[in-house]
Amino acid sequence: GAGVSQSPSNKVTEKGKDVELRCDPISGHTALYWYRQRLGQGLEFLIYFQGNSAPDKSGLPSDRFSAERTGESVSTLTIQRTQQEDSAVYLCASSLAILAGGGETQYFGPGTRLLVL
Amino acid sequence: AQRVTQPEKLLSVFKGAPVELKCNYSYSGSPELFWYVQYSRQRLQLLLRHISRESIKGFTADLNKGETSFHLKKPFAQEEDSAMYYCALLGEGAQKLVFGQGTRLTINP
Repeated sequence: GAGVSQSPSNKVTEKGKDVELRCDPISGHTALYWYRQRLGQGLEFLIYFQGNSAPDKSGLPSDRFSAERTGESVSTLTIQRTQQEDSAVYLCASSLAILAGGGETQYFGPGTRLLVL
Repeated sequence: AQRVTQPEKLLSVFKGAPVELKCNYSYSGSPELFWYVQYSRQRLQLLLRHISRESIKGFTADLNKGETSFHLKKPFAQEEDSAMYYCALLGEGAQKLVFGQGTRLTINP
């Protein structure tokens, strides 16, 4: 079946503009995760959803970042007033259920490469 | 605080040689540890997890709580093993993975 998809695959924007990144999880997956990966760095957790609820937003770097999810479907990560330090690959992952204790596996999308000029 | 350290950013070995990718973690409880792999032009995918105690593509990893390590090993490297490898930790009751910075493994012919 189809895996996790993300759009756009690449986005170039000017500093100060808003951007929206989209993630389509695997059908039936209740949990959805957003990560950021700066050049040469590991993945940095941003936020996760269980259904359309976001119990943990602790990884969002600032109030310029927000995310929402419609039911157990599409999620959108919005970055307002982008800064050059926001340049990174934004990865989305989904899993059938939440991770802890259940032996669940996260399936990753291909990522959106964001460049802020 | 939870932390995962992969001390080698780059690792290069010859085909047929043994390979070991190091991973050390910092966590006070009982974590779950994972290895993820990203082959060229492919997406990140799970390679193995310590609770499964399985060998995937010839790779194994043993959780050593005394040394807080979860090194990934393979006795005979193959060219198709060239990839980016990430070690990750899931804390008890946690919902988010903490990743190391990754090791780029290159297998030379």
